[in-house]
Amino acid sequence: DGGITQSPKYLFRKEGQNVTLSCEQNLNHDAMYWYRQDPGQGLRLIYYSQIVNDFQKGDIAEGYSVSREKKESFPLTVTSAQKNPTAFYLCASSALGGVDYEQYFGPGTRLTVT
Amino acid sequence: GQQVMQIPQYQHVQEGEDFTTYCNSSTTLSNIQWYKQRPGGHPVFLIQLVKSGEVKKQKRLTFQFGEAKKNSSLHITATQTTDVGTYFCAGHPWGNNRLAFGKGNQVVVIP
Repeated sequence: DGGITQSPKYLFRKEGQNVTLSCEQNLNHDAMYWYRQDPGQGLRLIYYSQIVNDFQKGDIAEGYSVSREKKESFPLTVTSAQKNPTAFYLCASSALGGVDYEQYFGPGTRLTVT
Repeated sequence: GQQVMQIPQYQHVQEGEDFTTYCNSSTTLSNIQWYKQRPGGHPVFLIQLVKSGEVKKQKRLTFQFGEAKKNSSLHITATQTTDVGTYFCAGHPWGNNRLAFGKGNQVVVIP
């Protein structure tokens, strides 16, 4: 939807394993974002990237890592260091990283770690 | 920390009635955006307000940006079952290029 795909929709992992969530966009957007959504918590920014090969930490980056090797792709790795990884993860993109651009969200990946 | 606050967090609205949801910031915002997330879905952009005192309408939805650019509201008239979902506001504090989302207002429509 909106040219952003996230896969898989549901993901189950055992505690102690790293897991990588995929995010791809064909909107030719420069900026991409990863959010975490927990019930009643709204959207919390994990990482964002405004240009290829560059990214910045958001508000809750600990236990996560990202890469931006291609404009279209912004994968998120949830490492074993993330203390409470079970959540709904949303990827978004915008035309530019400035303040005037709406964000387009992917359908999300629901990660469950047991 | 949380810079954008939304109230109320939950609302139960009778079908056909009107309701309003509010968004408040501790700092001046360069703009405010509103998103809607249907149950089980992802946020979808509704509108952006930029000017002080700006009012925009989309059919039954009226969006307002305060004169001081620290608060905003969304008013929905004649609520329909399709209005169910969580409404998020998101603002850009001046000098900061990151969007700060509120925690959302979850709306349940009672038929």
